[in-house]
Amino acid sequence: AQSVSQHNHHVILSEAASLELGCNYSYGGTVNLFWYVQYPGQHLQLLLKYFSGDPLVKGIKGFEAEFIKSKFSFNLRKPSVQWSDTAEYFCAVTSSGNTGKLIFGQGTTLQVKP
Amino acid sequence: NAGVTQTPKFQVLKTGQSMTLQCAQDMNHEYMSWYRQDPGMGLRLIHYSVGAGITDQGEVPNGYNVSRSTTEDFPLRLLSAAPSQTSVYFCASSSPGGPPKLFFGSGTQLSVL
Repeated sequence: AQSVSQHNHHVILSEAASLELGCNYSYGGTVNLFWYVQYPGQHLQLLLKYFSGDPLVKGIKGFEAEFIKSKFSFNLRKPSVQWSDTAEYFCAVTSSGNTGKLIFGQGTTLQVKP
Repeated sequence: NAGVTQTPKFQVLKTGQSMTLQCAQDMNHEYMSWYRQDPGMGLRLIHYSVGAGITDQGEVPNGYNVSRSTTEDFPLRLLSAAPSQTSVYFCASSSPGGPPKLFFGSGTQLSVL
């Protein structure tokens, strides 16, 4: 069965610090990978996604993620965080056969101090 | 466009009560799914549907029923609510073909006392 593991459950950073959130998945076949963000009191929003092609994908708000197939990883990065990035971040995976189902990681709460 | 609409936004139930969480989408999406979000556990799939009349279980289906009589609607029923079902529930929809792109509703916060 597919699973997703996010290593950091709670991250606290100061503004302008760099961010990297880890995500590993377990699935041997072709996968689609996602990062979602949930700002306080809001619903999930898609940050970025990887389907195929360039393993370095860029998303909204300056976020990017790198798919490393050999490591089954899809880590999220941002060079300089802002207070407004305070949110919960979820990594998710689905197999390439589209069934509309996502498997989510446990989530990482990011707190950015001004 | 309304997208995915969930009602109610908040609900408090007593143990043993029943209720239905509503989910409707106006994008003619064939795929719909229900997730629950709990602290430290991310989102877990409860039930999903790949079209009208077709439903299947996800990771955590116990205590929940679904049906899909129309493409637009995918209600989630709690027949006898339990405190363990206190959670935030999200409905999502997407289209088949190509990589998946899920649209999420704004969620229903449910408390079972």
